Amino acid sequence: GAGVSQTPSNKVTEKGKYVELRCDPISGHTALYWYRQSLGQGPEFLIYFQGTGAADDSGLPNDRFFAVRPEGSVSTLKIQRTERGDSAVYLCASSLPPGELFFGEGSRLTVL
Amino acid sequence: DAKTTQPPSMDCAEGRAANLPCNHSTISGNEYVYWYRQIHSQGPQYIIHGLKNNETNEMASLIITEDRKSSTLILPHATLRDTAVYYCIVRVRPHQKVTFGIGTKLQVIP
Repeated sequence: GAGVSQTPSNKVTEKGKYVELRCDPISGHTALYWYRQSLGQGPEFLIYFQGTGAADDSGLPNDRFFAVRPEGSVSTLKIQRTERGDSAVYLCASSLPPGELFFGEGSRLTVL
Repeated sequence: DAKTTQPPSMDCAEGRAANLPCNHSTISGNEYVYWYRQIHSQGPQYIIHGLKNNETNEMASLIITEDRKSSTLILPHATLRDTAVYYCIVRVRPHQKVTFGIGTKLQVIP
């Protein structure tokens, strides 16, 4: 596709459940980023990949959060044992370094 | 990455120029100034970036002071569609981690 695609656009889950969020970057973009955004706040950095490897995962809040990008294209953000505080919009972006970031529309996660 | 300071909100009349300031007094010589904006319920969108010279593209102009400690994003003729949160970011290229602050919420008024 022409832009960054994120699925699902909305996800409602119960506390304690496991969630996967998918990001399909722009074709050819080697760098991929995950952010999360709470209401009224700017995007908060979680992790970024250069190719298949996580170049910087310093923003992952704890070990319940994990992200993979096995073939250097699609990435999945995995959240285990979800908590109500995990409710946010999860944004994915891609770039061809050193160019600018292109963001998807986000996945809105609600944990009940 | 250097920290930036922006006013939390601004208003601008439709058709007038919107001038959004950003302070980045601790910027280092190899850090660029980037601007993104985020329209409600959408992902952030790149606007413009610069190192030390003023820059202009089809969306906006970026004016960076000579000492590089501050900059201004100029939308020359603001429209209602420009209502958004505008983020000023400084970062090293090609270092890729991009850190967003709270930004400036620009309201364009008819």
